[in-house]
Amino acid sequence: KQEVTQIPAALSVPEGENLVLNCSFTDSAIYNLQWFRQDPGKGLTSLLLIQSSQREQTSGRLNASLDKSSGRSTLYIAASQPGDSATYLCAVTSGTYKYIFGTGTRLKVLA
Amino acid sequence: SQTIHQWPATLVQPVGSPLSLECTVEGTSNPNLYWYRQAAGRGLQLLFYSVGIGQISSEVPQNLSASRPQDRQFILSSKKLLLSDSGFYLCAWGGNGETQYFGPGTRLLVL
Repeated sequence: KQEVTQIPAALSVPEGENLVLNCSFTDSAIYNLQWFRQDPGKGLTSLLLIQSSQREQTSGRLNASLDKSSGRSTLYIAASQPGDSATYLCAVTSGTYKYIFGTGTRLKVLA
Repeated sequence: SQTIHQWPATLVQPVGSPLSLECTVEGTSNPNLYWYRQAAGRGLQLLFYSVGIGQISSEVPQNLSASRPQDRQFILSSKKLLLSDSGFYLCAWGGNGETQYFGPGTRLLVL
C-alpha cells in the first residue's frame, strides 16, 4: 500500500532564503508525482508535475526533483517571499485513477 | 480553460440531517471526477472517483455516497450526517495519471 510522507510538517524561514521541502513514498512504481500549493481555506493549485521518466521540473523559482528508486522528491523554492506562505502537498499516482497525497508541509515566510 | 465549481462554500448542519454537495466542471468533457475530504491536520482522503456517467468507485466505507447524473456534474450525499463527517470537501477533475484540478472546496461543520 502506497504511503506518502512529508517532512517537516511545518517550516518557518526569513524572506529571501532558499528552502527545500521533502516528500517520500513507499512504492517506487509510480506514474508521476505532483506538487500542489494550498492556501488556507482554499482548494489545491498544481505547481509541478514530474513524470516517472523525468528527474526534475522547473517553473520560475520552483524546482522539483524526483528520485524514483529511493522513493523521494524535493521541492526547491529559491529566494522565498512572504507570498510563498502556504501548505505544500505532494501526491503520487501509479497511473490508475487514484492519487495518494502526503499530509503537507506548512510554510511560513517571514518578512 | 477548465473551471470547477463547488457549492455551497460553507455549510453547518445538525447531526442526522441529510447532505448534498454539488460539483460542476466547465471546459472539458468526460473528465475523471473525484471527491476528497481533508480533516484538520490530515492529508486528503480520497472518498469517491468517477470515470463516467453513473460510474462511481468508493474508496472507503462510510455513510456518504456519490452520484454522477451528468458528464460534468458530481454530487456527494448523505442521508444522515455524523459528527465525524465534518471537514473540508474538495472536488477535483483530471485525466488518467495527469494533473488534477481542484475546486474551491466546501467546509462542512456537523454539530
